[in-house]
Amino acid sequence: EVQLVESGGGLVQPGGSLRLSCAASGFIFSSYSMSWVRQAPGKGLEWISYISSSGDSIYYVDSVKGRFTISRDNAKNSLYLQMDSLRAEDTAVYYCARDSSGYNWGQGTLVTVSS
Amino acid sequence: IVMTQTPLTSPVTLGQPASISCRSSQSLVHSNGNTYLSWLQQRPGQPPRLLIYKISNRFSGVPDRFSGSGAGTDFTLTISRVEAEDVGLYYCMQATQFPQTFGQGTKVEIK
Repeated sequence: EVQLVESGGGLVQPGGSLRLSCAASGFIFSSYSMSWVRQAPGKGLEWISYISSSGDSIYYVDSVKGRFTISRDNAKNSLYLQMDSLRAEDTAVYYCARDSSGYNWGQGTLVTVSS
Repeated sequence: IVMTQTPLTSPVTLGQPASISCRSSQSLVHSNGNTYLSWLQQRPGQPPRLLIYKISNRFSGVPDRFSGSGAGTDFTLTISRVEAEDVGLYYCMQATQFPQTFGQGTKVEIK
């Protein structure tokens, strides 16, 4: 069974940093691209970043470029999102998803940016 | 690419069909010939779940009452006979071009 488990969310002050992790199991992690998608409270889904299976290709939505960094460790079956210079508008549930088509999703981790 | 869904709310009677339309601001045909248009369901309080990928391919475990169709810039998700468990939000998503984008979401509710 495919499982994606996000962790690392929490309350952080504006300008602060967080590192999210996504632990994957039940599939050959190194064979799939991965994405991060977020959902602000009561709002729709917003794609924020993609990383290819090897990590060679990376993309970001404009609103997080230069502040967020996606990475992966195929030996540890893990995906990461380093979030710096956080803003109030980054408050959301953050999901990791398998493949750019969204084959499987984790339960999400809540990030709250507030003073 | 802007994804526009209609309607934004769909009141349906149990056992009756429902359709959701999704239109993209430009063609979703990738240079490799594939069209990366997915449909996702999000039940209240749950994460999204993939229903359909590449226009019409039903994902593993998805009931066959869900079907997808379309081409180019116009796509449709159809539920042949709505069941109570189908209540929730439905999103189309394109993965042909970065940044990937979602439709605004369509709320399916029971009349």
